[in-house]
Amino acid sequence: SQQGEEDPQALSIQEGENATMNCSYKTSINNLQWYRQNSGRGLVHLILIRSNEREKHSGRLRVTLDTSKKSSSLLITASRAADTASYFCATDDKGSNYKLTFGKGTLLTVNP
Amino acid sequence: DGGITQSPKYLFRKEGQNVTLSCEQNLNHDAMYWYRQDPGQGLRLIYYSQIVNDFQKGDIAEGYSVSREKKESFPLTVTSAQKNPTAFYLCASKAQAGTETQYFGPGTRLLVL
Repeated sequence: SQQGEEDPQALSIQEGENATMNCSYKTSINNLQWYRQNSGRGLVHLILIRSNEREKHSGRLRVTLDTSKKSSSLLITASRAADTASYFCATDDKGSNYKLTFGKGTLLTVNP
Repeated sequence: DGGITQSPKYLFRKEGQNVTLSCEQNLNHDAMYWYRQDPGQGLRLIYYSQIVNDFQKGDIAEGYSVSREKKESFPLTVTSAQKNPTAFYLCASKAQAGTETQYFGPGTRLLVL
């Protein structure tokens, strides 16, 4: 079953602009992760935020988590053409026994 | 060169045929996972294994089978009972303790002739 739902489904921006993607989920979680997928490739882990954290940074990435609203956002600052990819949130649900539940993803296109 | 390998990159299945997708990892990870991805969709869990000789069904296990005889290997068989097998199949692994991050292989695209 799909837990995370990303919004928007697709996002097109110019190089240098910031990109914000949102993820909503339904149940209690241990942590929430963001992954990136280039077209036709495997997923690459970007960042993990635990349920007791509110914000986390990694390079040009900033992730926030609001457990009261069951939502998370991923901000990519100063975007580059190489950031063009699909971005997925995945939740590690409490009681899930080490399984991740993925959303449908946001397709980000960064135009040079 | 450590990581997860999947083979083949493309696989063609004839009607009524069983096919097996390979997944191998040299990361010494205990847990391994198989996901199915349809166009424009997220990943759905088929099967997962937390330890050798043990595996559990995921959300869409019908028409699939797996084995976990070695820590490094977690092959997935798509049986003739899977009526809509065309999809992108992704294998992942995770260390059992100390991290929640999954590491993914490059995927196998299965097409039906």
